Amino acid sequence: QSALTQPASVSGSPGQSITISCTGTSSDVGGYNFVSWYQQHPGKAPKLMIYDVSNRPSGVSDRFSGSKSGNTASLTISGLQAEDEADYYCSSYTSSSTLVFGGGTKLTVL
Amino acid sequence: QVQLVQSGAEVEKPGASVKVSCKASGYSFTSYIMHWVRQAPGQRLEWMGWINAGNGNTKYSQKFQGRVTITRDTSASTAYIELSSLRSEDTAVYYCARGFYSSSSWGQGTLVTVSS
Repeated sequence: QSALTQPASVSGSPGQSITISCTGTSSDVGGYNFVSWYQQHPGKAPKLMIYDVSNRPSGVSDRFSGSKSGNTASLTISGLQAEDEADYYCSSYTSSSTLVFGGGTKLTVL
Repeated sequence: QVQLVQSGAEVEKPGASVKVSCKASGYSFTSYIMHWVRQAPGQRLEWMGWINAGNGNTKYSQKFQGRVTITRDTSASTAYIELSSLRSEDTAVYYCARGFYSSSSWGQGTLVTVSS
């Protein structure tokens, strides 16, 4: 199972919006509404930000939103803040009953 | 509250095996799946496998098939991952994570270093 494809890096200024894409296949992202997004700060465990494509866990800011079209899922962060600077990973359930993660995207807040 | 507490750091020689534990509390252990995910230094998250803590069924990433075993002890609310035939590329932080298709609770991570 190959990793899902994410851009290596994205950047934005405080207050702006950014979008991170996550491209898979019809056997994972495109075939199921089980895409999740995680935020990871250096040296910390990942934190769930979005589950089932577009749902936010309790306590996660509504500045974070998710969507999906075909084989590509997206995470949008609006009103960028300095504390949003982190690595972001998507993951998807697959037709093999496994999970697969993306390659990760480093978000820099300028 | 949900807590996953993992065992401490390990240093192993190439060819050896390592077993990492993940003790769960704050929820019904047998009602959830436990995933194991690893992250090599500076690298991406990599899913290794899961165990249904209720019935013990497991599923492994093809990459680790034959080298990885995930088990659980329901009486101790603890999940384990054992990785054999260790090589230097297995040096990583290993995480347990509770959930089905996503994981809202993660252990603190266990650093496994493979070095001669």
